[in-house]
Amino acid sequence: GAGVSQSPSNKVTEKGKDVELRCDPISGHTALYWYRQSLGQGLEFLIYFQGNSAPDKSGLPSDRFSAERTGGSVSTLTIQRTQQEDSAVYLCASSPEGTTSGGYTFGSGTRLTVV
Amino acid sequence: EDQVTQSPEALRLQEGESSSLNCSYTVSGLRGLFWYRQDPGKGPEFLFTLYSAGEEKEKERLKATLTKKESFLHITAPKPEDSATYLCAVQTITQGGSEKLVFGKGTKLTVNP
Repeated sequence: GAGVSQSPSNKVTEKGKDVELRCDPISGHTALYWYRQSLGQGLEFLIYFQGNSAPDKSGLPSDRFSAERTGGSVSTLTIQRTQQEDSAVYLCASSPEGTTSGGYTFGSGTRLTVV
Repeated sequence: EDQVTQSPEALRLQEGESSSLNCSYTVSGLRGLFWYRQDPGKGPEFLFTLYSAGEEKEKERLKATLTKKESFLHITAPKPEDSATYLCAVQTITQGGSEKLVFGKGTKLTVNP
């Protein structure tokens, strides 16, 4: 497809379980971002991938969060031992190279609910 | 710390009633200010990027302006399809040295027919 694809669109998990969220960026986009949008809060930066460079993990809230990007394309965000405060919408975005005058293109997100 | 504050939190307009949304920011060095539109259940959709004070961008009924401390999104003669949450973000540098966007909480706009 032409846009950023995220799966699943919704995920309900029990507290303490691990979850994996997937992002398929626009073909050819070298930059990929993960953001988190909690209820009533602004989007919060989590992690940034640029090409084959080491990712910028400075926004990850704890060591339970990790992400990888295979072959410079698909990315997976993993949350281990989920907590109720992890409930949020997780958004992925991509751009041709970092932040351009055209902004990022966002996916529709994965709504994570931890019960 | 870089901060973005948007006001009002919510705004209700009648169709055709023009108004403005405000985005005030504090950032160590502005690299760009972005406006996005977000519909329920969707990701943000890019609208504009502004880089320097005095700059203006227009798209249909929307016009974005920028000063040294704030940005305005002017909506002229809005239609019900303009109803959405409008997000403002500033481009800054992460602790890891990369670029990122810092977002405000948004203004939820409702335009009644």
